[in-house]
Amino acid sequence: KAGVTQTPRYLIKTRGQQVTLSCSPISGHRSVSWYQQTPGQGLQFLFEYFSETQRNKGNFPGRFSGRQFSNSRSEMNVSTLELGDSALYLCASSLTGSEQYFGPGTRLTVT
Amino acid sequence: QQQVKQSPQSLIVQKGGISIINCAYENTAFDYFPWYQQFPGKGPALLIAIRPDVSEKKEGRFTISFNKSAKQFSLHIMDSQPGDSATYFCAARRDNFNKFYFGSGTKLNVKP
Repeated sequence: KAGVTQTPRYLIKTRGQQVTLSCSPISGHRSVSWYQQTPGQGLQFLFEYFSETQRNKGNFPGRFSGRQFSNSRSEMNVSTLELGDSALYLCASSLTGSEQYFGPGTRLTVT
Repeated sequence: QQQVKQSPQSLIVQKGGISIINCAYENTAFDYFPWYQQFPGKGPALLIAIRPDVSEKKEGRFTISFNKSAKQFSLHIMDSQPGDSATYFCAARRDNFNKFYFGSGTKLNVKP
């Protein structure tokens, strides 16, 4: 069974730009969660989507948004990028909601 | 406010030794406690998990000990191997919400 895939793996953007990251969950998994990982703040929950609906949300500004498609694939968008948005963005999929399986992440660098 | 506190930040263990990582939480609504292992350049991988109605769970060399009254749980890695060198994260999930709170991570180095 294929694991969680994330594209692109690496991205360099300039302050003020926007970015869209993509996540394809494990086949059959309907829950997709997004996390931001930084050396200073660790792993922080962004949001979770289930059957195309945002079910849970973390404490991030509205510049961070997401969506989920009918095939469970999910995208995350960050608008008006700031230097502090540089991070590893991780996507995790789950069948039951308990066991989460992470993708390799997208390394975003904002210059 | 950090929901899950993890210690130590780093750990050096000799090959064959026992690695112990500890986590503490405050929210009694947490109902699921997983541990993840992360290698450089990779996403975290689920290692083992426990629910609060069980005091211990063992899978191979990995054991979770859970103390509900103290609101603490720990990961024990028996017979630690150099291949276990990675960063370990504990986490907790609030009941009925798929919102996970992660500890700050422990970098484990197993010396050959």
